[in-house]
Amino acid sequence: DAGVTQSPTHLIKTRGQQVTLRCSPKSGHDTVSWYQQALGQGPQFIFQYYEEEERQRGNFPDRFSGHQFPNYSSELNVNALLLGDSALYLCASSFRARGLGTEAFFGQGTRLTVV
Amino acid sequence: RKEVEQDPGPFNVPEGATVAFNCTYSNSASQSFFWYRQDCRKEPKLLMSVYSSGNEDGRFTAQLNRASQYISLLIRDSKLSDSATYLCVVNTVDSSYKLIFGSGTRLLVRP
Repeated sequence: DAGVTQSPTHLIKTRGQQVTLRCSPKSGHDTVSWYQQALGQGPQFIFQYYEEEERQRGNFPDRFSGHQFPNYSSELNVNALLLGDSALYLCASSFRARGLGTEAFFGQGTRLTVV
Repeated sequence: RKEVEQDPGPFNVPEGATVAFNCTYSNSASQSFFWYRQDCRKEPKLLMSVYSSGNEDGRFTAQLNRASQYISLLIRDSKLSDSATYLCVVNTVDSSYKLIFGSGTRLLVRP
């Protein structure tokens, strides 16, 4: 059983460019959340997708957008990249019906460097 | 004030030592509590959930004090393999299912 998979693992972009990160959730999971983790910090919630809709959003600008597909996979898009967007981007999947206490499984992350 | 605050660390302890991490959270409506472990340049992985009655998993014991909004993690008989960053995590009651992470406490276990 494959866990959460993310692609690419590493990415280098130039300021002002756009980037798309991808995530496939763990088998049986229907909810995908995206987190940004800066160096030395804990992950920060970006947004969550369930039933192909954005259900909750953290304090991130509109440059950050996403999508969920019918097969539950998800994309995170970031436009007009800034140097401060350099971070590890983590995707987490879970099964919504199990409620708040359910474990979220994380992918290995995409390390984005903006130069 | 951060929603979840942790001891900054790093904690540098010898093998076999007992070490305790503390965490406080600001939202009294928080419902679910966890400790995640994150190895260097890896993804976070669930170490254990934390229940009001306290819970133990081998060398690891987690405690929750809702009145003080305080969570703790105790590691007994530390192993070299315990070296990692430990993240305190809470879930809020607004049905968002989002996880709110502390900044993490780094543990270094030396031979």
